[in-house]
Amino acid sequence: AIRMTQSPSSFSASTGDRVTITCRASQGISSYLAWYQQKPGKAPKLLIYAASTLQSGVPSRFSGSGSGTDFTLTISCLQSEDFATYYCQQYYSYPRTFGPGTKVDIK
Amino acid sequence: EVQLVESGGGLVQPGGSLRLSCAASGFTFSSYWMSWVRQAPGKGLEWVANIKQDGSEKYYVDSVKGRFTISRDNAKNSLYLQMNSLRAEDTAVYYCARARNNWNYDYWGQGTLVTVSS
Repeated sequence: AIRMTQSPSSFSASTGDRVTITCRASQGISSYLAWYQQKPGKAPKLLIYAASTLQSGVPSRFSGSGSGTDFTLTISCLQSEDFATYYCQQYYSYPRTFGPGTKVDIK
Repeated sequence: EVQLVESGGGLVQPGGSLRLSCAASGFTFSSYWMSWVRQAPGKGLEWVANIKQDGSEKYYVDSVKGRFTISRDNAKNSLYLQMNSLRAEDTAVYYCARARNNWNYDYWGQGTLVTVSS
């Protein structure tokens, strides 16, 4: 199984900050990577797929990059509604696997 | 509007069985791969199973192989997860999700909680 890791596991930030979350795959997955946002008690929400394609309706302050084994999710100007946990997920092969999550909370 | 509504969760004893259902609406159900994803309390997301549009292909995470069965009824726009030989470690919120092109999950249900405990 492909193992996904994320860093950091959590951090505090302020509204207006530019934040970057890193995801690494244990082997190359081309661009078969998605990012999700999850708020407490809610279902995950797809933000980005194919490593860098913004899902319809997602604000343009979210962006993704990377290919192969190293990927990043960037929020250009953090808003209050962005405080949440973020997960990466590979769909290059079965079993589909998620990263452990990165929790972004308010400083 | 795409909607996925799970049901069937609850408390079950170890070794017991449960059948989860997911009612889909707002899209052509028979055109999409569908999935189950779970989340143990306070933990991250874990993919459980995928099923092809016509049910001819199914994939499972190793930890549920031989115990869980994913199925669908396209006439009823419904997805199912039959869970047998349940273990404490199966305790989780189970989400039904639409798998775009069998890849990522663009719509999710609200989840149904399964608790395995004596």
